[in-house]
Amino acid sequence: EIMLTQSPATLSLSPGERATLSCRASESVLNQLVWYQQKRGQAPRLLIYDVSNRATGIPARFSGSGSATDFTLTISSLEPEDFAVYYCQQRITWPLTFGQGTRLDIK
Amino acid sequence: EVQLVESGGGLVQPGGSLRLSCAASGFSVNNYDMDWVRQITGESLEWVSGIRPGGETIYADSVKGRFTISRENGKNSVYLQMNTLRAGDTAVYYCARRNWNYGGAYDFWGQGTLVTVSS
Repeated sequence: EIMLTQSPATLSLSPGERATLSCRASESVLNQLVWYQQKRGQAPRLLIYDVSNRATGIPARFSGSGSATDFTLTISSLEPEDFAVYYCQQRITWPLTFGQGTRLDIK
Repeated sequence: EVQLVESGGGLVQPGGSLRLSCAASGFSVNNYDMDWVRQITGESLEWVSGIRPGGETIYADSVKGRFTISRENGKNSVYLQMNTLRAGDTAVYYCARRNWNYGGAYDFWGQGTLVTVSS
């Protein structure tokens, strides 16, 4: 099973600041890495697929990068609605696995 | 508009059974990979099971032999029969669609249904 480790666990920033979230895989997932956003009481929402491709309707301030085992989700300038939990997920092998999440809090 | 609506969750004693349903609208479940993903309160997400357009099914080791995923095309629904439930199965269960236009990522999720296994 591929383990995904996200860091930091919690990130406290202010609106307008840049957020950088990390996801590290225990072995290479090539480019098969996905990012989701989850707000309290809601289902996850697809943000980024295959490392760097934004899903339909996702603002350009969200971007993804990385390869093999190290990946980054960047939010260039935080909006109030961006404060949520973010999960990475690998889809290269079964079982599909998720990271433990990074909580993005308002400072 | 694509929608997924789960139902069937509730309180069940250890060793008991529940059947979760996921009613889809706006697309046909038999054309997509459909999965169940669960989330323990306050924790991360765990993939549970999936069913493919051809009917193939796959399970996480933690539920293999206890859970069964199925699909009913006429009702455009996916089900998860859960037997021999354990306290560790307590979670919100989401039905989710995998879309290969997004590299197989989950592009739509239901609102979730809470399963609580407790005596």
